[in-house]
Amino acid sequence: DGGITQSPKYLFRKEGQNVTLSCEQNLNHDAMYWYRQDPGQGLRLIYYSQIVNDFQKGDIAEGYSVSREKKESFPLTVTSAQKNPTAFYLCASSKNSGSSSGELFFGEGSRLTVL
Amino acid sequence: AQSVTQPDIHITVSEGASLELRCNYSYGATPYLFWYVQSPGQGLQLLLKYFSGDTLVQGIKGFEAEFKRSQSSFNLRKPSVHWSDAAEYFCAVGATGRRALTFGSGTRLQVQP
Repeated sequence: DGGITQSPKYLFRKEGQNVTLSCEQNLNHDAMYWYRQDPGQGLRLIYYSQIVNDFQKGDIAEGYSVSREKKESFPLTVTSAQKNPTAFYLCASSKNSGSSSGELFFGEGSRLTVL
Repeated sequence: AQSVTQPDIHITVSEGASLELRCNYSYGATPYLFWYVQSPGQGLQLLLKYFSGDTLVQGIKGFEAEFKRSQSSFNLRKPSVHWSDAAEYFCAVGATGRRALTFGSGTRLQVQP
């Protein structure tokens, strides 16, 4: 079945370590997104990519990095520069690039806990 | 900048009762509006969306929403709530040329037996 796969589902990290969250989609969607979810704050946009080899910062990009080397993959690295990385991370994709009018399809999320 | 407000953080209703979740948006032109639902520890699933045309939109699981331009609102309704509807609900707004959807802070729905 087509969809978005995020891994790992749960991840624990020590302070000062970088960690990479995987996001793969087989929907042939052009655009991919990373959101961060904290209780009571909804979803906040970290990074998005409308096309391969191109990506843009969202509202809370500091301490994060991404790459888009393949259409189906959009990994997110949480670096040691991120002050409060413990959160639930959601990856999404949409068919249309250059427009947010399209529906977002979400993965199941990755929960990162910094010890 | 576009924004979304969900004024109710937490709502409790009895099973079989009607439901209305509020959503207000701020955007200069006609927005694209969405309602998503999230079960604990899961991703988000689209309930319904409004792009244009009929202002009353039907979605999955018996939900509907009405776009009211004069009130900048897109409230979600269901005539009879089921226990399985307990979840968190997010309203989102987008627009052509905008980079990504903007989400509200969510409303957590509890359903009492």
